[in-house]
Amino acid sequence: DADVTQTPRNRITKTGKRIMLECSQTKGHDRMYWYRQDPGLGLRLIYYSFDVKDINKGEISDGYSVSRQAQAKFSLSLESAIPNQTALYFCATSETDRPNTGELFFGEGSRLTVL
Amino acid sequence: GNSVTQMEGPVTLSEEAFLTINCTYTATGYPSLFWYVQYPGEGLQLLLKATKADDKGSNKGFEATYRKETTSFHLEKGSVQVSDSAVYFCALSRGGYNKLIFGAGTRLAVHP
Repeated sequence: DADVTQTPRNRITKTGKRIMLECSQTKGHDRMYWYRQDPGLGLRLIYYSFDVKDINKGEISDGYSVSRQAQAKFSLSLESAIPNQTALYFCATSETDRPNTGELFFGEGSRLTVL
Repeated sequence: GNSVTQMEGPVTLSEEAFLTINCTYTATGYPSLFWYVQYPGEGLQLLLKATKADDKGSNKGFEATYRKETTSFHLEKGSVQVSDSAVYFCALSRGGYNKLIFGAGTRLAVHP
């Protein structure tokens, strides 16, 4: 089983619908992240969380919200989906006691299509 | 601000060819530099890293040297295999919180 699990892996939805992408991890890491990947743009950080009580906006947080339900769970929500949120979304984790090591552990991604 | 620029792909090579994927960066101070690889249908995984100038990161036959004078971190491999076909991302980290800044990615296709 994967250490970082994302659900759903694929979702097609319509404009205006609410969507939740879920992430769970068994690595025991405190830090969790949500990125989106767009062709030609690489990965951009949406939100990150250093522990259950700490949530921070990334560079492209508008239109998104997150919830850290537990150390192991970090959900990303699109309250009212729009077509330009069509992308591949990745959850990632990292260790706390090695700041700036740069090693993130990624899930397999959730492909979201907004029609 | 901080940014990473990679050569555009796709890069198409025959098996056993030499690979170079260029990466340059803009950053204040002394960032750490990374190469991540994304195999088809998978998430990204760390390939190699370098945390200070002149460091060489290496893994699985890939190498990259942190060149501060040219602000570069080019990825090289002497003899690529079909199994190296993937998308390669250069990234930098500043601020100590693993908040990586990624380049756009370079797709590599290796043919037998």
